[in-house]
This record gives sequence, structure tokens and C-alpha cells, in this order.
Amino acid sequence: QVQLVESGGGVVQPGRSLRLSCAASGFTFSRCGMHWVRQAPGKGLEWVTRISTDGSNKYYVDSVKGRFTISRDNSKNTLYLQMNSLRDEDTAVYYCAKEGIAVAHDAFDLWGQGTMVTVSS
Amino acid sequence: QSVLTQPPSVSGAPGQIVTISCTGSSSNIGAGYVVHWYQQLPGTAPKLLIQGNINRPSGVPDRFFGSKSGTSASLAITGLQAEDEADYYCQSYDSSLNDVVFGGGTKLTVL
Repeated sequence: QVQLVESGGGVVQPGRSLRLSCAASGFTFSRCGMHWVRQAPGKGLEWVTRISTDGSNKYYVDSVKGRFTISRDNSKNTLYLQMNSLRDEDTAVYYCAKEGIAVAHDAFDLWGQGTMVTVSS
Repeated sequence: QSVLTQPPSVSGAPGQIVTISCTGSSSNIGAGYVVHWYQQLPGTAPKLLIQGNINRPSGVPDRFFGSKSGTSASLAITGLQAEDEADYYCQSYDSSLNDVVFGGGTKLTVL
């Protein structure tokens, strides 16, 4: 079954850390660029970070640079997001998404169900 | 403030046609980067609706049409149905930001 399943969300105090995971199945994970996209309560989608197929290239939105780290383990078909120094404004549903392989900057053709991260004291 | 600008809301009666615009600039849509559209039903994850400006993935009804011209793109929905009530987002790439960018989203209400 082709799917992405996120886990690791929860309630965390400001300044603390959390690690999200995204388990992929049903497709060749190692061939696909992967992304994290978040959605604050009642707000729109915000792209957070991207990692290349072999993990050598990583890109981040300015608001998380230096605090979040994306990584992947192709042997385990799993994507990760290490979130440090969490802030109230990081509260959101976090989705992992698979990028298509047909063209450069292809669409996100598969999304996970999302995992909620709440940063609150 | 999103890099790609969408109207916050649109509405239409069943059977009508609605269009949702997505306005960018010379560093994203105008630079030739492709535009994708997603549908997000209430309480669910986004789903790819249109990819590469005009292409419908398998399973997407042929009532959905994408187009692009200059620094803008549009999503048209014909024969509006109650089940089309959702939030719609456009997405592209911006070379100045070196980032993926989303529009702010448009809430479609079927009257």
C-alpha cells in the first residue's frame, strides 16, 4: 500500500525538542525527494524543509533554520524531522510529503495524514 | 503574507463554474516554474489536484482544470458539486527564496 505515516507529535514546552518520523511504504523511497509541510491551526499550508534523495542536500524555510534538521534513512524508508528550541509559533500539524520524480520541482503527489505538534507551557 | 496570492474565498451554486486565481511574480510563476494545485477537505490532509500547471492525476475528475499565463495561474471547477467544498492551495517554486511556496489558500463554498 502506497502511504506515508507520520508519528512523534505531541505537547512540548517552549525551548524543548521533538523528533518526528515519517514511515514510507509502497514506493521506492530512495528515489524521491521528501518534504515537511506544516499547517498552524486555522491557517494555510507552509513549506518547512526538503531533503534530496541521498540526503546530501537540505533546504529550510528561514523561520526554522538553525533549529530544525531534516534527515532520512533510506534503508528504513523513513524520513525524520528533528525540532529543537521549539517556539509557540511552531504549533501546527506537520505533514510529510513525497515529491514526484517526473520533472524538477514536481508536485507533492503523496501526503501523510499529519501529526500534531503543540508547543505550550 | 504569502508569496503566491489567492482570494480568501469563492462561492458558487451547484452546477456552476468557479475559478480560483493564484498570482505570483517574476521569481516564481513568471520565471516559468510549474504550478500545482491541492484540495484539502475539512479535517484531512491535502490531496494533489493539478500538477505541472494543467495535468490531472489519475482519479481526479475532469471537472477540474488548471491554466497558467504570465505571472498567474488559475484553477477552474466546472459543474460544481457539494463535495467540492474545500480549501484549495496553489504551489510553485521561488528562485529568489530558493524555496517551495504556497498560496494562502482559498475556501470554496458551495451554496
